[in-house]
Amino acid sequence: DSGVTQTPKHLITATGQRVTLRCSPRSGDLSVYWYQQSLDQGLQFLIQYYNGEERAKGNILERFSAQQFPDLHSELNLSSLELGDSALYFCASSALKAGGNTGELFFGEGSRLTVL
Amino acid sequence: EDQVTQSPEALRLQEGESSSLNCSYTVSGLRGLFWYRQDPGKGPEFLFTLYSAGEEKEKERLKATLTKKESFLHITAPKPEDSATYLCAVQATGGGNKLTFGTGTQLKVEL
Repeated sequence: DSGVTQTPKHLITATGQRVTLRCSPRSGDLSVYWYQQSLDQGLQFLIQYYNGEERAKGNILERFSAQQFPDLHSELNLSSLELGDSALYFCASSALKAGGNTGELFFGEGSRLTVL
Repeated sequence: EDQVTQSPEALRLQEGESSSLNCSYTVSGLRGLFWYRQDPGKGPEFLFTLYSAGEEKEKERLKATLTKKESFLHITAPKPEDSATYLCAVQATGGGNKLTFGTGTQLKVEL
């Protein structure tokens, strides 16, 4: 158990809809990352937050947005869903200190999104 | 753009049959190279960090090595419980904390 909790585990929805994925990081971790994993592209970095502020952004679509709340949990919002958005969405956290850097991430078990 | 290529895509071994997985990378400046293990239906689990060419790390039956262009994950006398997908990732200098992952090698160890 990594200590990172993601909900829901599975989600089935229709094209054009909007969903919210939730992540609770490990206790004490200030940094949260979102990754998308699809069969053909592997793990793709979407966005990182550190202590409530956006720290880095990857190839995240404009239809997607995220935020990190004062209690450090994070939400990834996916809107105007398309068939191609079907994937596993992983949240990870790290014990990143201010100004620091680490590639040791602790991943949750993911949220599997199916868009029909 | 940072790139990571892993080979082979899939590997089937007999228990006790040692082998190596390859990770080739292209990055403007390497801050770190990371190996993760991913079991079906689970999130990736951190294994190793390598920072500079010549560095080696070991954990049980796994040993990771790094050169200026590639990394190897050596698996010695594997057991069925070593079956998983092994992911390689790089972190570039100036790239913040972003990891660029390869698509992984799916390893199956049979009795």
